[in-house]
Parts: sequence; structure tokens; C-alpha cells
Amino acid sequence: QKEVEQDPGPLSVPEGAIVSLNCTYSNSAFQYFMWYRQYSRKGPELLMYTYSSGNKEDGRFTAQVDKSSKYISLFIRDSQPSDSATYLCAMSAPNSGGSNYKLTFGKGTLLTVNP
Amino acid sequence: DVKVTQSSRYLVKRTGEKVFLECVQDMDHENMFWYRQDPGLGLRLIYFSYDVKMKEKGDIPEGYSVSREKKERFSLILESASTNQTSMYLCASSFWTGGIGELFFGEGSRLTVL
Repeated sequence: QKEVEQDPGPLSVPEGAIVSLNCTYSNSAFQYFMWYRQYSRKGPELLMYTYSSGNKEDGRFTAQVDKSSKYISLFIRDSQPSDSATYLCAMSAPNSGGSNYKLTFGKGTLLTVNP
Repeated sequence: DVKVTQSSRYLVKRTGEKVFLECVQDMDHENMFWYRQDPGLGLRLIYFSYDVKMKEKGDIPEGYSVSREKKERFSLILESASTNQTSMYLCASSFWTGGIGELFFGEGSRLTVL
């Protein structure tokens, strides 16, 4: 079983729709959970991060973590064409020495929001 | 704003050539990373560095080496390029506080090996 699983899509929605993006993971040591957004021909950029289980909201974006189910989600409300991008989940766990953290990415979900 | 600059956006090389990919960051970050990104495989870590002259292997280091002589510069070297190294290469840097992985990425270098 891969450490982080993410449906690659593609996902196509009309403007204004609510979008749900998800990742599952198997490593219980993951402590921090992040979502990166990558526009075409650009590098990824951090969108949101969470530490504990529960929800975190930032404008139209909500990140949700359920550690008991090893499941994280990103919700986008009132989606806009400018939200069209690849969304990558990422998770970090301490390395074996505990001195630093290793970041593991999902493969990304390609989202298109149609006007 | 943090800026991570990759020297070449597009390169075309021949099999067996030595290839240098350069990356410079301007925010005094200790940590720098090289990833490759391929369709269906996602981002895979090649090498990373937590300090000058220090390097550690990532998940797929075979066929690559790195150099970090100055804090702001991290170079990826393909000693003898092969067609299976055709890919998008992404450099990143971070200040890595307490496990929150805020990586700042460059725009990528798309390498084609013929």
C-alpha cells in the first residue's frame, strides 16, 4: 500500500460548484498535512496546512483532517475558473532520527472549473 | 517574496551528455531540494541538503548527483544523461519550522534527453 493515495482525476466542474479533493494515507506517523496548488507550467505553492484533526478554513477553502480514518480533504466553495490547477496533498513525519521531517506528496488531482 | 530561480526552463540534451541544472534561492533558507515530476508518478525526491556542503539521498538518487558549495545555490548533475531522465525537474527551498513543509518551488526545468 502506498503511503499516500490521491485520485488523479481529472475532475471537471462548472463555475460555482463545491469541489471536494481527497487523500488517504497509511503512515500513522504523519503529523502535518498540507495542500499545494500547482498551476500549469509553474511550481507548486503551499495553499493550506493543518496539524490536528478537524477543520481549518481560509476564505473559500476548507482543509479537513480525520486522523482516525487516515483521510484528508480539501473543499473549495464557489469554485472559480482561476481555481483550475493540480492540487497535491502532502504530509510530513519525523525522520528516523527525529531531527527533521520528511515530506511525502500525493500524485495530485487535476481540477478544471468551467465558466 | 521568496524567489527560487532555476537557470533553464527548457533543455534538450543527447544521451550520454553531462547536464547541470542550477537553482538559486534568495531567502537564506538552509534546506534545498531537487524533485522530478512525471505524469502518473507525481513528485519524487532526488536529493536534498540541510546545509552547505551537506547532501542526502532522496527516494530516487540513482543517476544523479548534487553540489551545494554556497547556501543559496543547489545544483543537480546528470553525469551521463539517459532517455529515462526526460522529465520536469523542480528545485525547492524551505526554512522548515517544526515539520510544516512549506516548500518554495522554482518554475521548473523541463529536460528532454534524445
